[in-house]
Amino acid sequence: NAGVTQTPKFRILKIGQSMTLQCTQDMNHNYMYWYRQDPGMGLKLIYYSVGAGITDKGEVPNGYNVSRSTTEDFPLRLELAAPSQTSVYFCASRTGTTNEKLFFGSGTQLSVL
Amino acid sequence: EDQVTQSPEALRLQEGESSSLNCSYTVSGLRGLFWYRQDPGKGPEFLFTLYSAGEEKEKERLKATLTKKESFLHITAPKPEDSATYLCAGTGGGATNKLIFGTGTLLAVQP
Repeated sequence: NAGVTQTPKFRILKIGQSMTLQCTQDMNHNYMYWYRQDPGMGLKLIYYSVGAGITDKGEVPNGYNVSRSTTEDFPLRLELAAPSQTSVYFCASRTGTTNEKLFFGSGTQLSVL
Repeated sequence: EDQVTQSPEALRLQEGESSSLNCSYTVSGLRGLFWYRQDPGKGPEFLFTLYSAGEEKEKERLKATLTKKESFLHITAPKPEDSATYLCAGTGGGATNKLIFGTGTLLAVQP
């Protein structure tokens, strides 16, 4: 059972480039989340989805976009990368039952130079 | 504004030296308080969920407790393999059950 899989693990972008961070889960979870983690800061919610075709903004959505065409996949798109988007990105999922724990991927470390 | 604050930021213990990590929260209508462990280069891994004041949960050398204002993660006779960052998060529930995370406590246990 793979759980939540994120690719790539590391990436360096130049300012203004675009890229997609991939996230897939094999647990048939309805709810999926994208967080970013910066040194000395708590995990901040970027976007989330409660099911295929349904997405909504989290705490820090500017500069990002998401889509959810299937239950399994929840890619995060960075358009016109900026140095402020240098961070570690985590994807997470859960079934949707109230107060159920999140399952996290292993993260993508992104540097924008 | 909902907020979760963890202390200390970092803690260094000798193997076998018990201690506690603190998580203070101001989350409207708290429905769940979560503890996660995060190892370097990995995603957070679930440890406990606490739902109401007075509740306690244990797993090996770890025990989590909850009051109306804070939660504690007690570590009894820690071992070097307990070294990690411990994250606390609260949720007010609702349809989306979004979590508010603290900044974490970096624990180092020296042999």
